[in-house]
Amino acid sequence: DSGVTQTPKHLITATGQRVTLRCSPRSGDLSVYWYQQSLDQGLQFLIQYYNGEERAKGNILERFSAQQFPDLHSELNLSSLELGDSALYFCASSLEDYNEQFFGPGTRLTVL
Amino acid sequence: GQNIDQPTEMTATEGAIVQINCTYQTSGFNGLFWYQQHAGEAPTFLSYNVLDGLEEKGRFSSFLSRSKGYSYLLLKELQMKDSASYLCAVRDGITGGGNKLTFGTGTQLKVEL
Repeated sequence: DSGVTQTPKHLITATGQRVTLRCSPRSGDLSVYWYQQSLDQGLQFLIQYYNGEERAKGNILERFSAQQFPDLHSELNLSSLELGDSALYFCASSLEDYNEQFFGPGTRLTVL
Repeated sequence: GQNIDQPTEMTATEGAIVQINCTYQTSGFNGLFWYQQHAGEAPTFLSYNVLDGLEEKGRFSSFLSRSKGYSYLLLKELQMKDSASYLCAVRDGITGGGNKLTFGTGTQLKVEL
């Protein structure tokens, strides 16, 4: 158990819908990261927040957005969902902006 | 951008030693990480190299050569539970790149009796 929590564990929804994934970092960690893992793409970096501010951005779609709240938990919002968005979404956290990242158990999103 | 190559699959025998290679081409480099991932589970951190040389951590060691864009993960005294995917990840060295990691597609290791 890494200490990073993610909810929900599983999510099944329909195309065109919007969902919110939630992440609580390890106690004391300031940075939160979001990754997408699909069978054909591997683990892809989406976005990083550090102490509430956006720090780095990957190939995150415009339909996706994220934020980190004052209590340091983070949410990833996915809208206008498509079949291809079906994937495992991992949140990770690290103490500062440069340490090793610890991953949560993931949210498995299925878009039907 | 980053380009990371790892073998797709490897098979080894319980009790043996296996070396998993990773080569990378990057526009900036600020460290290399190895993670272990069992199917359907979260990646777990194994090791970190930022300077050339060998880092040892119990049964796991990782080596880095920055001039060659090359790293390997060495697993000793293999156990059945080591059957997993091993992910090589490079941290972006570009200013303002934060702690962004680019992952390879992973090497699926199968440990047999």
